[in-house]
Amino acid sequence: GENVEQHPSTLSVQEGDSAVIKCTYSDSASNYFPWYKQELGKRPQLIIDIRSNVGEKKDQRIAVTLNKTAKHFSLHITETQPEDSAVYFCAALDSGGYQKVTFGTGTKLQVIP
Amino acid sequence: NAGVTQTPKFRVLKTGQSMTLLCAQDMNHEYMYWYRQDPGMGLRLIHYSVGEGTTAKGEVPDGYNVSRLKKQNFLLGLESAAPSQTSVYFCASTQDLNTEAFFGQGTRLTVV
Repeated sequence: GENVEQHPSTLSVQEGDSAVIKCTYSDSASNYFPWYKQELGKRPQLIIDIRSNVGEKKDQRIAVTLNKTAKHFSLHITETQPEDSAVYFCAALDSGGYQKVTFGTGTKLQVIP
Repeated sequence: NAGVTQTPKFRVLKTGQSMTLLCAQDMNHEYMYWYRQDPGMGLRLIHYSVGEGTTAKGEVPDGYNVSRLKKQNFLLGLESAAPSQTSVYFCASTQDLNTEAFFGQGTRLTVV
């Protein structure tokens, strides 16, 4: 099955700075990579996803890049705001007969006002 | 549209007791999942279902059982609770494998 590693586990940035979270995956056939945001005490919610036929996707201040050759993908948040403070999870879809996604261990982002 | 609803939200069990967590979704999704979330360990898959009447083991299935008798419901059972099962449990559903997963609000379970 898929193995997803996520770094860093914690990240502190000043408001207005950029934040980058990186993930690697093991299954070269994986073709779907979502990112979820979980605010304190709440449920995870999808913020952006990317499929393997594209290298980059943007949605306002959030972008995700995918490097299939190196088997890694990254989340970029620009002009960070205090409401960006949360735990972020990357994930990758298992290929073959595994009908599920595998999550990374999460990154706790703190945006300091 | 309620989305994904978990019952109960909180529960305290004594070691050895049993309980069932209910997950209900009203989006007619095919796939349903049960995860547990522990500090520093992310979301670990317990069991999942790819359709009514089907179930499969995930990453950490020991000590848990599941059933999906109706498409909209996915039940997670603990037959004999252990302190190691103290965790926050999330249910999720998706229509397809490469689409958004919708999560329930979570169940905080404490086993003493």
